[in-house]
Amino acid sequence: AQSVAQPEDQVNVAEGNPLTVKCTYSVSGNPYLFWYVQYPNRGLQFLLKYITGDNLVKGSYGFEAEFNKSQTSFHLKKPSALVSDSALYFCAVREEGTYKYIFGTGTRLKVLA
Amino acid sequence: NAGVTQTPKFRVLKTGQSMTLLCAQDMNHEYMYWYRQDPGMGLRLIHYSVGEGTTAKGEVPDGYNVSRLKKQNFLLGLESAAPSQTSVYFCASSITGGYNQPQHFGDGTRLSIL
Repeated sequence: AQSVAQPEDQVNVAEGNPLTVKCTYSVSGNPYLFWYVQYPNRGLQFLLKYITGDNLVKGSYGFEAEFNKSQTSFHLKKPSALVSDSALYFCAVREEGTYKYIFGTGTRLKVLA
Repeated sequence: NAGVTQTPKFRVLKTGQSMTLLCAQDMNHEYMYWYRQDPGMGLRLIHYSVGEGTTAKGEVPDGYNVSRLKKQNFLLGLESAAPSQTSVYFCASSITGGYNQPQHFGDGTRLSIL
């Protein structure tokens, strides 16, 4: 079965510092990976996706993600964190052969001023 | 451009009552999904639809029914609400079933069952 793990419930980072939100996955076929962000009382918003190609994927709001096949990871990164980046972040994998997306449990990012 | 609109935004029900949550999208998307979000559990798929007139069960379908009579609308029904169905419900859509297609989400319906 395909799965996604986000090992950290919360990540704290100082404003201006680089941030990383971790995600590991388990799939039986090709990985189709996504990152979403959720602000309070809002739905999830798409940030970026990995399908095939470059291992460094660039997305919205200055975020990027690094795909590592050997470590089965897809970590979300940003060179310089903003207080406004504080939100809940979800990693998701598309289950090959079905129409389903599998979501991680989410990581709460808190950027401190 | 409204995107995905969920109605209502909040609702409180008593155990045993029924209700229908409405999801409407104006992007001409083929695929629509209903999720529930509970603390520490991420999003869990309830039901989904790959086109008008079709529905399928997801991970946690028990106690829910759905209908997709029109392409733009996806309805989620609770026939006899239970406290365990207290949750935040999200509807999502995607343009096709392609693997590279992200989902577009509504802002959720917060449902409390007393």
